[in-house]
Amino acid sequence: GAVVSQHPSWVICKSGTSVKIECRSLDFQATTMFWYRQFPKQSLMLMATSNEGSKATYEQGVEKDKFLINHASLTLSTLTVTSAHPEDSSFYICSAGRGAGANVLTFGAGSRLTVL
Amino acid sequence: SQQGEEDPQALSIQEGENATMNCSYKTSINNLQWYRQNSGRGLVHLILIRSNEREKHSGRLRVTLDTSKKSSSLLITASRAADTASYFCASYNFNKFYFGSGTKLNVKP
Repeated sequence: GAVVSQHPSWVICKSGTSVKIECRSLDFQATTMFWYRQFPKQSLMLMATSNEGSKATYEQGVEKDKFLINHASLTLSTLTVTSAHPEDSSFYICSAGRGAGANVLTFGAGSRLTVL
Repeated sequence: SQQGEEDPQALSIQEGENATMNCSYKTSINNLQWYRQNSGRGLVHLILIRSNEREKHSGRLRVTLDTSKKSSSLLITASRAADTASYFCASYNFNKFYFGSGTKLNVKP
């Protein structure tokens, strides 16, 4: 079945540093990937839609200069949290569309970011 | 949430009982889906119902959709302890997925 690999699964960094999270579709091509952020005991908030070969589409209120998204190939999208601060600490989950019309999501296992 | 609310927020039942959770969404949809999330993990797709469908079954799962009320429900029959997880509905339209606030289900053995 469709598998999405997300790496790293957890990361701890110092305030002010940048962190990159990778999302790979292992056995299918994904022209579109989605990045979500989840706060403890809350729902998933769509941050941006990553489109292969073009700029990502960000949701209202999400700083595109803060959360850099690159989708350079049909199997890889990356999210870089730049100049991370403690308030950026969260669970970040990527997903890729699959199936006819790519209308079912396959999720990565998530990346827990802790900024000290 | 970006999309809508789910109720109840939390549900605790005994093994063997049925669990029903409800979801409301805000915009028009192409389809509505339900996902399951085990604690601290990614989500797993459970079932999809298209906007022109009213009810769908998959194993112990039954989903209903009422587009006039912009609502859906998920019924899990004969629940098991392994069903303990958080359940989210997700609306799909214009190539975007928005998730509801989720229901945390606890099935006691």
